[in-house]
Amino acid sequence: GQQVMQIPQYQHVQEGEDFTTYCNSSTTLSNIQWYKQRPGGHPVFLIQLVKSGEVKKQKRLTFQFGEAKKNSSLHITATQTTDVGTYFCAASSNTGKLIFGQGTTLQVKP
Amino acid sequence: DGGITQSPKYLFRKEGQNVTLSCEQNLNHDAMYWYRQDPGQGLRLIYYSQIVNDFQKGDIAEGYSVSREKKESFPLTVTSAQKNPTAFYLCASHDDRVSNQPQHFGDGTRLSIL
Repeated sequence: GQQVMQIPQYQHVQEGEDFTTYCNSSTTLSNIQWYKQRPGGHPVFLIQLVKSGEVKKQKRLTFQFGEAKKNSSLHITATQTTDVGTYFCAASSNTGKLIFGQGTTLQVKP
Repeated sequence: DGGITQSPKYLFRKEGQNVTLSCEQNLNHDAMYWYRQDPGQGLRLIYYSQIVNDFQKGDIAEGYSVSREKKESFPLTVTSAQKNPTAFYLCASHDDRVSNQPQHFGDGTRLSIL
C-alpha cells in the first residue's frame, strides 16, 4: 500500500539553530498535509500543499512540495523552545484516508 | 465551540475486559477515524467511517470494534482479544464533502493495563 517515509525520527538542536524534516513517497501524491503534536497533546493541522513545487511560509516555518509531488519538507528557521514537538506529514490516499509519516520529534535545548 | 470530544482522558483495563472509548463531534463531519499511537511512533489507523451505519477496517483493526449509529458519535471498543492495548488513542474527523480538508483531532484517551 501507499507509504510515506519521514526522516529523521529525532532531532535535537540548540535554540536558534535551524531544523528540517523530510517526507518522501514512491508514488505521486495529490497533496501533503503537515501536523504538529506538542508533548502530551494531539496533532494539530499546520498547512496543506497541493501544487507541484509549491512553497508556503508561516512565520519561521517554510513548507515545500517537490516538483514531482513525491516529496516535501518542513524547515524551521531559528528554532525556539515553543517549537518542541513531533511534526507529521500526511498524504491523502485514493480512498480519502490520510497516510501519516512516522513523525520527526524535535527537541530544542535552551 | 465546534470540536471533537474524547472521553475518558485516562482509562485502565483489567485482564479479559472490554472497554469502550467515546468520541463525539459537533462539526457535522461525515468522516471519522480512530488512530493508535505508541510512544515515539506515528499514527496507525484502526477503523474509519465515511457515513452513518458504515465503517471500514484500517491497518490494525484486530482486537477492536466500532459502531456508527449517529453522525456525531464513533465509539471504539478495545476487546479482550487485543493483547497489547496500552497506547494513546486518537479520534479524528474531517469534512469529506470538500476535497483535501484537514483532519481535526480530539485530545485523546490514554489506555493502560491494570
